Amino acid sequence: KNEVEQSPQNLTAQEGEFITINCSYSVGISALHWLQQHPGGGIVSLFMLSSGKKKHGRLIATINIQEKHSSLHITASHPRDSAVYICAVPPGGGADGLTFGKGTHLIIQP
Amino acid sequence: GAGVSQSPSNKVTEKGKDVELRCDPISGHTALYWYRQSLGQGLEFLIYFQGNSAPDKSGLPSDRFSAERTGGSVSTLTIQRTQQEDSAVYLCASSLMVGGGQFFGPGTRLTVL
Repeated sequence: KNEVEQSPQNLTAQEGEFITINCSYSVGISALHWLQQHPGGGIVSLFMLSSGKKKHGRLIATINIQEKHSSLHITASHPRDSAVYICAVPPGGGADGLTFGKGTHLIIQP
Repeated sequence: GAGVSQSPSNKVTEKGKDVELRCDPISGHTALYWYRQSLGQGLEFLIYFQGNSAPDKSGLPSDRFSAERTGGSVSTLTIQRTQQEDSAVYLCASSLMVGGGQFFGPGTRLTVL
């Protein structure tokens, strides 16, 4: 079973700061998901990536398959970015569904 | 519809009653997933359907949980004899194909009194 570790668990930053959230996993994967969940809200898929880097607006996701590590970056952070960010990977062993990290609770203060 | 829809959005039931949760995936998506988000437990995988293949039930927590997918589209998750520990948000997701990006529904918040 894939073990997923996210760091930090909690992060409070000031508006405008550059944010980095990290995710490590234990079993080789085909693709990794970054998800966002606002307080009381549903889950939104931000990225699915299998190599390199993807960018969407102020969000950038990178993955290093060899090191089994991914990062999610937020540039010019804004209070509306405050949410829980969750890393998810396939469980490994041929099984499907996703295994989720515990999430990073991000608060951006104005 | 444009996205994954789930109903009801909220369900309050008494311990011991049966509940049915519904998921309408994005049209044309062959893979459908059910997840559960419990307070303090995070997100966990429950069951997965791919086309007409037998579902992967490896994540179901007990035999009180079952799911079906009719006609390769709509899915129903049934919980029999609900217990308080079943209280959670139940999320459905669909993807165009196996291993593809998953689109999540808004979830059903189940409260068992």
